[in-house]
Amino acid sequence: SQTIHQWPATLVQPVGSPLSLECTVEGTSNPNLYWYRQAAGRGLQLLFYSVGIGQISSEVPQNLSASRPQDRQFILSSKKLLLSDSGFYLCAWISGAGVYTGELFFGEGSRLTVL
Amino acid sequence: AQKITQTQPGMFVQEKEAVTLDCTYDTSDPSYGLFWYKQPSSGEMIFLIYQGSYDQQNATEGRYSLNFQKARKSANLVISASQLGDSAMYFCAMSTSGTYKYIFGTGTRLKVLA
Repeated sequence: SQTIHQWPATLVQPVGSPLSLECTVEGTSNPNLYWYRQAAGRGLQLLFYSVGIGQISSEVPQNLSASRPQDRQFILSSKKLLLSDSGFYLCAWISGAGVYTGELFFGEGSRLTVL
Repeated sequence: AQKITQTQPGMFVQEKEAVTLDCTYDTSDPSYGLFWYKQPSSGEMIFLIYQGSYDQQNATEGRYSLNFQKARKSANLVISASQLGDSAMYFCAMSTSGTYKYIFGTGTRLKVLA
């Protein structure tokens, strides 16, 4: 069966520090991968999505970046965090064949607080 | 461009009553899917229901039904016989065949009252 893991679950970082959130999927190949951010009490904002290794589409350029070094690995990074980067980050995957007919499968989420 | 709009930030419903959560969408792609997800306070995302753009009938899953009005570009979620456990944030989402985006609305926080 397919599973998705993301870590760390929680982190508190000072403004200006770097960030790395990692997500891995098991039990499937060539998934579409997504990073979302949810500010406190707000909706899900699509940040990045990827349809293959090294292929990244950005919805929010700002100070965040994403990479997909392996088929089932998706990394969200920042060189210098801003206060506005605080939020709940969710990684998700879906089979490429069913991208507009199927359910997104989400990781457990990473709660980031920037102080 | 794709867009999902949920205009109800918060809703209250009495236990055992039905409730409708509104969702409108915009896309120029003729092939798309519409989805609803539930997010309890724990933060997990729970898939509820799916409606395809070519589906002639409204989707139903247990107490959930999706009122799909294509001409009005609306995809409202109806929850029948509300339960206390239905209290959560509800998100409408859309994905289209022309892109690989999967976008969400701003959500509606539902509170079921005993």
